[in-house]
Amino acid sequence: AQSVTQLDSHVSVSEGTPVLLRCNYSSSYSPSLFWYVQHPNKGLQLLLKYTSAATLVKGINGFEAEFKKSETSFHLTKPSAHMSDAAEYFCVVSRNAGNMLTFGGGTRLMVKP
Amino acid sequence: DTAVSQTPKYLVTQMGNDKSIKCEQNLGHDTMYWYKQDSKKFLKIMFSYNNKELIINETVPNRFSPKSPDKAHLNLHINSLELGDSAVYFCASSRGQVETYGYTFGSGTRLTVV
Repeated sequence: AQSVTQLDSHVSVSEGTPVLLRCNYSSSYSPSLFWYVQHPNKGLQLLLKYTSAATLVKGINGFEAEFKKSETSFHLTKPSAHMSDAAEYFCVVSRNAGNMLTFGGGTRLMVKP
Repeated sequence: DTAVSQTPKYLVTQMGNDKSIKCEQNLGHDTMYWYKQDSKKFLKIMFSYNNKELIINETVPNRFSPKSPDKAHLNLHINSLELGDSAVYFCASSRGQVETYGYTFGSGTRLTVV
């Protein structure tokens, strides 16, 4: 079965410093991976996706993620955090049946001024 | 112009009541979903549905039932509401293979059972 583990439930950074949100996946086949963001009291928005093309994926708002098969990781990064980045971030993996996605437990990013 | 819209946004109701949440998508997507997000932000799939197949997560109580009058709508009916049903419910849709396109989400319905 496919699964994702987000290694940190909370991450706190200062505005202007780099962001690293960690995600490891488990899959018996080559999966598709996504990052979604959820701002407070809002729905979920797609940040970026990996679908077996380039391993370094660029998304919206300056975020990017790198697919590393050898490490089964898909970490999300951003060079410089902004206050508006404070939100919940979900790493997501595709399932090999049922046309559905499986979500990680989420990482809450807090950005200090 | 909202792509996936849910109503109501907030729903407060008493235990034992029956309620419905509506979802509509104007994207022409083939498949629609319902997810439940608990108080710890964990998202769990409840249903996946297209015009050919309904897939039910086996852990979902049969008090929950999806109803799709047409391809653009997937409503969620809940009978005999319980305190533990309090959560945020998200509707989503996808085009074709979800591993290629991902989901488009609605803004959620916060259900509070008192």
